[in-house]
Amino acid sequence: QKEVEQDPGPLSVPEGAIVSLNCTYSNSAFQYFMWYRQYSRKGPELLMYTYSSGNKEDGRFTAQVDKSSKYISLFIRDSQPSDSATYLCAMSPYSSASKIIFGSGTRLSIRP
Amino acid sequence: DTEVTQTPKHLVMGMTNKKSLKCEQHMGHRAMYWYKQKAKKPPELMFVYSYEKLSINESVPSRFSPECPNSSLLNLHLHALQPEDSALYLCASSLGQLETQYFGPGTRLLVL
Repeated sequence: QKEVEQDPGPLSVPEGAIVSLNCTYSNSAFQYFMWYRQYSRKGPELLMYTYSSGNKEDGRFTAQVDKSSKYISLFIRDSQPSDSATYLCAMSPYSSASKIIFGSGTRLSIRP
Repeated sequence: DTEVTQTPKHLVMGMTNKKSLKCEQHMGHRAMYWYKQKAKKPPELMFVYSYEKLSINESVPSRFSPECPNSSLLNLHLHALQPEDSALYLCASSLGQLETQYFGPGTRLLVL
C-alpha cells in the first residue's frame, strides 16, 4: 500500500463547477499537508498549506484535513479553464518535515 | 525576489558527458532541495541541503553530485548518466527544513 493515495484522473468538469480532489494516507505521523498545482512542463506551485484538521480557505480554494480519517481534500469553486492542471497532494511528518511525500497527482481539465 | 530560478531550461547530453544544473534563490531560504520527476509521476526527493550542508541523500547514485557553494545557489553535477535518468529535475527552497517548499520551473534533461 502506498503511503499516499490519490486518484490520477483524468477529471473533466465544465467551467463554473465545484471540483473536489482527494487524497488518503496511511502514516499517522504526517503533520503537514499541502496541495500543489503543476501545469504541463512546469514546476509545482504551492496552493495551500495546513498542519491541522479542519478547513482553510484562500479565494476559490478550500483545503480540508481530517486526521481521524486520514483524508484530505481540495475544493475549487467557480472553476476556470486556467485551473486545468495536475494537482498534487503532499504531506510530511513533523520529525522530518523536509521529506515530502507526494500523491501521484490528479489531472484536471475544465471545459469552457 | 520571490522565485526559484533554474538553468538551463532544457539539456541534452550523451552518456559520457559532464554537465551541471544550476538553481538560485534570493529569498533568504536556508534549505534547498533537488527532486527528480518522471513523466506523469510525482516528484521524488534526491537531496536536501540545510545551511549549505547536505542533510539528506535519498540513496542517489554517485553519478549525481550535489553542491551548495553558498546559501543562494545549488548545483547538481551530472556525469556518466544513463538514458533512464532522463527526467525533469526540480529545485526547491524553503525558509527552514520545517517550512513550505517553493519549486523552480525545472530543467528537462534528456540523456542519449
